[in-house]
Amino acid sequence: DVKVTQSSRYLVKRTGEKVFLECVQDMDHENMFWYRQDPGLGLRLIYFSYDVKMKEKGDIPEGYSVSREKKERFSLILESASTNQTSMYLCASSLRQGPYEQYFGPGTRLTVT
Amino acid sequence: GEDVEQSLFLSVREGDSSVINCTYTDSSSTYLYWYKQEPGAGLQLLTYIFSNMDMKQDQRLTVLLNKKDKHLSLRIADTQTGDSAIYFCAENGPTGGSYIPTFGRGTSLIVHP
Repeated sequence: DVKVTQSSRYLVKRTGEKVFLECVQDMDHENMFWYRQDPGLGLRLIYFSYDVKMKEKGDIPEGYSVSREKKERFSLILESASTNQTSMYLCASSLRQGPYEQYFGPGTRLTVT
Repeated sequence: GEDVEQSLFLSVREGDSSVINCTYTDSSSTYLYWYKQEPGAGLQLLTYIFSNMDMKQDQRLTVLLNKKDKHLSLRIADTQTGDSAIYFCAENGPTGGSYIPTFGRGTSLIVHP
């Protein structure tokens, strides 16, 4: 069974803090993704990575950066957290071949005060 | 660009069938997916259908694809309270990159006794 784990289920940070969200998958998937989920807006892609040290911007990359130093680990970084980054953050992984189904972690609910 | 539309809410009585509908715009979609998200959890793949298929059945789940109308539906037979969740339709196509799905905003299924 594919397992995607995220470092925290709940996180509370202050405005201006640097925040690290970690994601680890154990199925040797090439692709990894970071989404944020907000009520009424569905899932929005922040960044994705198709290989180690490779990254591509998604639909809403502003205010975020990512790091993928190892195949199994994909980190999302908020350089200076702001209140409008309060959200549910979901990590996912997938193979690079069809049917490309994504496996999701349980999510991190981040509150920035 | 591509778009995936689904209604926001569906309420059904326990034991009835549920039908969740989805429309998409990318005619070159290769795979179409249904994901389920239970409260406080990440998304879980329920099933997917390849674009050259019309129907796929898996126990209580039936997926119907009308490629001409770009319409996808998920039927849940004998709906149970444990089926209460948000259901996301998604599609993959060359427009977004084969392994980057486009998600709908999700349909909240409410099952009442």
